[in-house]
Amino acid sequence: NAGVMQNPRHLVRRRGQEARLRCSPVKGHSHVYWYRQLPEEGLKFMVYLQKENIIDESGMPKERFSAEFPKEGPSILRIQQVVRGDSAAYFCASSPRDFYSEQYFGPGTRLTVT
Amino acid sequence: AQSVTQLGSHVSVSEGALVLLRCNYSSSVPPYLFWYVQYPNQGLQLLLKYTTGATLVKGINGFEAEFKKSETSFHLTKPSAHMSDAAEYFCAVALSTGNQFYFGTGTSLTVIP
Repeated sequence: NAGVMQNPRHLVRRRGQEARLRCSPVKGHSHVYWYRQLPEEGLKFMVYLQKENIIDESGMPKERFSAEFPKEGPSILRIQQVVRGDSAAYFCASSPRDFYSEQYFGPGTRLTVT
Repeated sequence: AQSVTQLGSHVSVSEGALVLLRCNYSSSVPPYLFWYVQYPNQGLQLLLKYTTGATLVKGINGFEAEFKKSETSFHLTKPSAHMSDAAEYFCAVALSTGNQFYFGTGTSLTVIP
Protein backbone atom coordinates (compact mmCIF):
# COMPACT_ATOMS: atom_id res chain seq x y z
CA ASN A 1 0.00 0.00 0.00
CA ALA A 2 1.23 3.43 -0.85
CA GLY A 3 1.81 5.73 2.07
CA VAL A 4 1.15 9.43 2.23
CA MET A 5 2.51 11.14 -0.85
CA GLN A 6 3.60 14.72 -0.92
CA ASN A 7 4.79 16.73 -3.86
CA PRO A 8 6.89 18.45 -4.65
CA ARG A 9 9.55 17.32 -2.20
CA HIS A 10 11.44 20.56 -2.66
CA LEU A 11 9.97 23.87 -3.74
CA VAL A 12 11.78 27.14 -4.30
CA ARG A 13 9.79 30.32 -4.58
CA ARG A 14 10.73 33.98 -4.75
CA ARG A 15 9.16 36.40 -2.33
CA GLY A 16 5.67 37.32 -3.45
CA GLN A 17 5.01 34.15 -5.42
CA GLU A 18 2.49 31.48 -4.56
CA ALA A 19 3.34 28.05 -3.21
CA ARG A 20 1.06 25.04 -3.66
CA LEU A 21 1.81 21.93 -1.68
CA ARG A 22 0.00 18.70 -2.44
CA CYS A 23 -0.78 15.76 -0.23
CA SER A 24 -2.32 12.45 -1.24
CA PRO A 25 -3.38 10.54 1.87
CA VAL A 26 -3.19 6.84 2.34
CA LYS A 27 -5.90 5.21 0.24
CA GLY A 28 -9.10 5.08 2.26
CA HIS A 29 -8.05 7.73 4.76
CA SER A 30 -10.48 10.61 5.03
CA HIS A 31 -8.67 12.71 7.64
CA VAL A 32 -5.76 14.94 6.69
CA TYR A 33 -3.51 17.12 8.85
CA TRP A 34 -0.91 19.69 7.90
CA TYR A 35 2.08 20.58 10.06
CA ARG A 36 4.95 23.02 9.69
CA GLN A 37 8.45 22.36 10.95
CA LEU A 38 10.79 25.28 11.31
CA PRO A 39 14.54 24.72 11.77
CA GLU A 40 15.41 23.59 15.29
CA GLU A 41 11.73 23.40 16.20
CA GLY A 42 9.16 20.68 16.52
CA LEU A 43 6.16 20.27 14.32
CA LYS A 44 3.43 22.83 14.68
CA PHE A 45 -0.13 21.91 13.88
CA MET A 46 -1.70 23.98 11.16
CA VAL A 47 -4.98 22.50 10.02
CA TYR A 48 -7.16 19.38 10.23
CA LEU A 49 -9.43 18.52 7.33
CA GLN A 50 -11.89 15.87 6.39
CA LYS A 51 -13.24 15.47 2.90
CA GLU A 52 -14.60 18.85 1.81
CA ASN A 53 -14.53 20.20 5.36
CA ILE A 54 -12.10 22.14 7.49
CA ILE A 55 -12.43 20.76 11.00
CA ASP A 56 -9.81 22.79 12.83
CA GLU A 57 -7.67 25.55 11.36
CA SER A 58 -6.58 27.09 14.62
CA GLY A 59 -2.91 26.67 13.73
CA MET A 60 -3.13 28.39 10.36
CA PRO A 61 -1.88 31.95 9.99
CA LYS A 62 -4.85 34.22 9.40
CA GLU A 63 -3.55 35.62 6.16
CA ARG A 64 -2.04 34.15 3.00
CA PHE A 65 -2.52 30.50 4.05
CA SER A 66 -5.40 28.28 3.00
CA ALA A 67 -6.05 24.55 2.79
CA GLU A 68 -8.55 22.33 1.12
CA PHE A 69 -9.32 18.64 0.83
CA PRO A 70 -11.74 18.21 -2.04
CA LYS A 71 -14.00 15.27 -2.65
CA GLU A 72 -11.69 14.12 -5.39
CA GLY A 73 -7.96 14.66 -5.54
CA PRO A 74 -5.24 15.58 -3.10
CA SER A 75 -5.30 17.99 -0.23
CA ILE A 76 -3.73 21.33 -1.10
CA LEU A 77 -1.94 23.76 1.19
CA ARG A 78 -1.69 27.11 -0.51
CA ILE A 79 0.55 29.97 0.56
CA GLN A 80 0.05 33.24 -1.24
CA GLN A 81 2.66 35.98 -1.51
CA VAL A 82 5.33 33.94 0.24
CA VAL A 83 7.85 35.60 2.53
CA ARG A 84 11.20 34.35 3.76
CA GLY A 85 9.67 33.36 7.09
CA ASP A 86 7.54 30.77 5.26
CA SER A 87 10.66 28.72 4.54
CA ALA A 88 10.13 25.46 6.38
CA ALA A 89 9.30 21.81 5.97
CA TYR A 90 5.59 21.17 5.60
CA PHE A 91 4.33 17.73 6.54
CA CYS A 92 1.03 16.15 5.76
CA ALA A 93 -0.43 13.27 7.75
CA SER A 94 -3.52 11.18 7.28
CA SER A 95 -5.55 8.86 9.47
CA PRO A 96 -8.32 6.41 8.72
CA ARG A 97 -10.77 7.36 11.39
CA ASP A 98 -10.80 9.88 14.13
CA PHE A 99 -8.13 12.07 15.48
CA TYR A 100 -6.68 9.48 17.87
CA SER A 101 -6.02 6.79 15.37
CA GLU A 102 -2.47 6.64 14.13
CA GLN A 103 -1.38 9.45 11.90
CA TYR A 104 0.69 8.42 8.91
CA PHE A 105 3.13 11.09 7.81
CA GLY A 106 4.35 11.95 4.37
CA PRO A 107 8.00 12.76 3.61
CA GLY A 108 7.35 16.48 3.64
CA THR A 109 7.79 19.39 1.26
CA ARG A 110 10.74 21.65 1.92
CA LEU A 111 9.85 25.17 0.90
CA THR A 112 12.61 27.68 0.38
CA VAL A 113 11.74 31.32 -0.22
CA THR A 114 14.49 33.36 -1.81
CA ALA B 1 -2.20 25.54 28.05
CA GLN B 2 -0.85 22.32 26.67
CA SER B 3 2.84 21.79 26.04
CA VAL B 4 5.45 19.13 25.55
CA THR B 5 9.02 19.42 26.80
CA GLN B 6 11.79 17.17 25.62
CA LEU B 7 14.84 17.51 27.82
CA GLY B 8 18.04 17.35 25.84
CA SER B 9 17.98 18.33 22.20
CA HIS B 10 20.95 16.03 21.57
CA VAL B 11 21.65 12.67 23.22
CA SER B 12 24.63 10.44 22.50
CA VAL B 13 24.90 6.84 23.61
CA SER B 14 27.30 4.04 22.86
CA GLU B 15 26.12 1.12 20.81
CA GLY B 16 24.62 -1.44 23.19
CA ALA B 17 23.95 1.11 25.93
CA LEU B 18 20.59 2.11 27.37
CA VAL B 19 18.65 4.76 25.48
CA LEU B 20 16.59 7.18 27.58
CA LEU B 21 14.80 10.08 25.93
CA ARG B 22 12.82 12.31 28.24
CA CYS B 23 9.40 13.82 27.65
CA ASN B 24 7.25 15.81 30.03
CA TYR B 25 3.90 17.28 29.23
CA SER B 26 1.38 19.63 30.68
CA SER B 27 -2.29 19.03 30.10
CA SER B 28 -5.50 20.08 31.75
CA VAL B 29 -7.31 16.93 30.61
CA PRO B 30 -6.22 13.30 30.25
CA PRO B 31 -3.74 13.19 27.42
CA TYR B 32 -2.96 10.75 24.69
CA LEU B 33 0.80 10.43 24.27
CA PHE B 34 2.93 9.46 21.31
CA TRP B 35 6.52 8.98 20.29
CA TYR B 36 7.54 9.42 16.67
CA VAL B 37 10.87 8.88 14.96
CA GLN B 38 12.12 10.83 11.97
CA TYR B 39 14.98 9.65 9.80
CA PRO B 40 16.78 12.17 7.60
CA ASN B 41 14.63 13.53 4.80
CA GLN B 42 11.70 11.34 5.76
CA GLY B 43 8.38 11.83 7.44
CA LEU B 44 7.58 10.83 10.98
CA GLN B 45 6.94 7.23 11.87
CA LEU B 46 4.95 6.19 14.92
CA LEU B 47 7.01 4.31 17.49
CA LEU B 48 4.32 3.86 20.13
CA LYS B 49 1.33 5.49 21.73
CA TYR B 50 -0.54 5.59 24.99
CA THR B 51 -4.27 6.21 25.02
CA THR B 52 -5.75 4.24 27.90
CA GLY B 53 -5.04 1.08 29.83
CA ALA B 54 -1.60 -0.25 30.66
CA THR B 55 0.82 2.54 31.38
CA LEU B 56 3.85 0.67 30.02
CA VAL B 57 3.62 0.72 26.28
CA LYS B 58 5.76 -1.33 23.92
CA GLY B 59 6.49 -0.11 20.45
CA ILE B 60 8.44 -1.04 17.38
CA ASN B 61 12.19 -1.63 17.19
CA GLY B 62 12.43 -2.57 20.87
CA PHE B 63 11.34 0.80 22.24
CA GLU B 64 8.97 1.25 25.13
CA ALA B 65 7.63 4.12 27.19
CA GLU B 66 5.87 4.46 30.50
CA PHE B 67 3.13 6.93 31.25
CA LYS B 68 3.57 8.34 34.74
CA LYS B 69 0.69 10.60 35.57
CA SER B 70 2.16 11.77 38.88
CA GLU B 71 5.30 12.92 37.10
CA THR B 72 3.53 14.05 33.91
CA SER B 73 6.14 12.11 32.01
CA PHE B 74 6.31 9.72 29.09
CA HIS B 75 9.97 8.83 28.74
CA LEU B 76 11.16 6.61 25.90
CA THR B 77 13.61 3.81 26.56
CA LYS B 78 15.42 1.03 24.78
CA PRO B 79 17.69 -1.40 26.64
CA SER B 80 20.39 -1.63 23.99
CA ALA B 81 21.07 1.00 21.34
CA HIS B 82 21.71 0.02 17.77
CA MET B 83 23.39 2.11 15.11
CA SER B 84 20.15 2.18 13.16
CA ASP B 85 18.45 4.00 16.06
CA ALA B 86 20.25 7.22 15.18
CA ALA B 87 17.45 9.63 14.27
CA GLU B 88 15.32 12.48 15.54
CA TYR B 89 12.68 11.55 18.11
CA PHE B 90 9.57 13.54 18.81
CA CYS B 91 7.18 13.28 21.72
CA ALA B 92 3.63 14.43 21.11
CA VAL B 93 0.49 14.88 23.16
CA ALA B 94 -3.10 14.97 21.99
CA LEU B 95 -6.03 15.97 24.11
CA SER B 96 -9.24 14.06 24.44
CA THR B 97 -11.12 17.33 23.98
CA GLY B 98 -9.38 18.69 20.93
CA ASN B 99 -8.08 18.07 17.46
CA GLN B 100 -4.45 19.02 17.82
CA PHE B 101 -1.23 17.17 18.32
CA TYR B 102 1.35 19.15 20.25
CA PHE B 103 4.90 18.14 19.42
CA GLY B 104 8.05 18.61 21.41
CA THR B 105 11.08 20.18 19.78
CA GLY B 106 12.70 16.81 19.26
CA THR B 107 15.76 14.95 20.50
CA SER B 108 18.51 13.99 18.11
CA LEU B 109 19.94 10.61 19.06
CA THR B 110 23.50 9.75 18.07
CA VAL B 111 24.78 6.21 18.53
CA ILE B 112 28.52 5.88 18.91
CA PRO B 113 30.11 2.66 17.67
